[in-house]
Amino acid sequence: QSVLTQPPSVSAAPGQKVTISCSGSSSNIGNNYVSWYQQLPGTAPKLLIYDNDKRPSGIPDRFSGSKSGTSATLGITGLQTGDEADYYCGTWDSSLSAGIFGGGTKLTVL
Amino acid sequence: EVQLLESGGGLVQPGGSPRLSCAASGFTFSSYAMNWVRQAPGKGLEWVSGISSSGGSTFYADSVKGRFTISRDNSKNTVYLQMNSLRAEDTAIYYCAKGFKGSVTTKSDYWGQGTLVTVSS
Repeated sequence: QSVLTQPPSVSAAPGQKVTISCSGSSSNIGNNYVSWYQQLPGTAPKLLIYDNDKRPSGIPDRFSGSKSGTSATLGITGLQTGDEADYYCGTWDSSLSAGIFGGGTKLTVL
Repeated sequence: EVQLLESGGGLVQPGGSPRLSCAASGFTFSSYAMNWVRQAPGKGLEWVSGISSSGGSTFYADSVKGRFTISRDNSKNTVYLQMNSLRAEDTAIYYCAKGFKGSVTTKSDYWGQGTLVTVSS
């Protein structure tokens, strides 16, 4: 069971918007930056968002991140079939002195 | 171009002690922390261990603390994960990932393709 809680799955139609939540506590999300990763089937994870809301170069602005208190959210607009993947949030836990990931959310574009 | 190439995986007997290696290129290796992250078959990501740019600070997940040791050789641009007392539940793809700065966080901007470790008799 992950320290960070994500919904197991979300779905939406092409062109629509979806959000994925990541819930934690004061020892992790509440006091540390959050990153988001996309993992396409059979591939390594790819960084989508870092420091809560920053996008690495090459990541389209359809992807956005936000944080409020002990929760973070990944938003994806203009959904494409190529966005079907598993999405993970990650952060540092100051109490554990260790990195942690959410359990992952499978996005289905219907 | 940043490249991370893991090696050392394979079939290992319970209790075995393989060492994983991750050879890095395309960036100033000695300036960045490095992480190992694993993924059991059909499961999610699990952060395993991280090491600072100098190697002076190391961190471990509780699930591997006391059994795994992370180290790095900045002269060889390589990070290692020594795995001891392996159990079936350590079966996973092990990814090497580059940190954003010198200190350890989960934030990783480049990932290797992973090396599969299977623990079975």
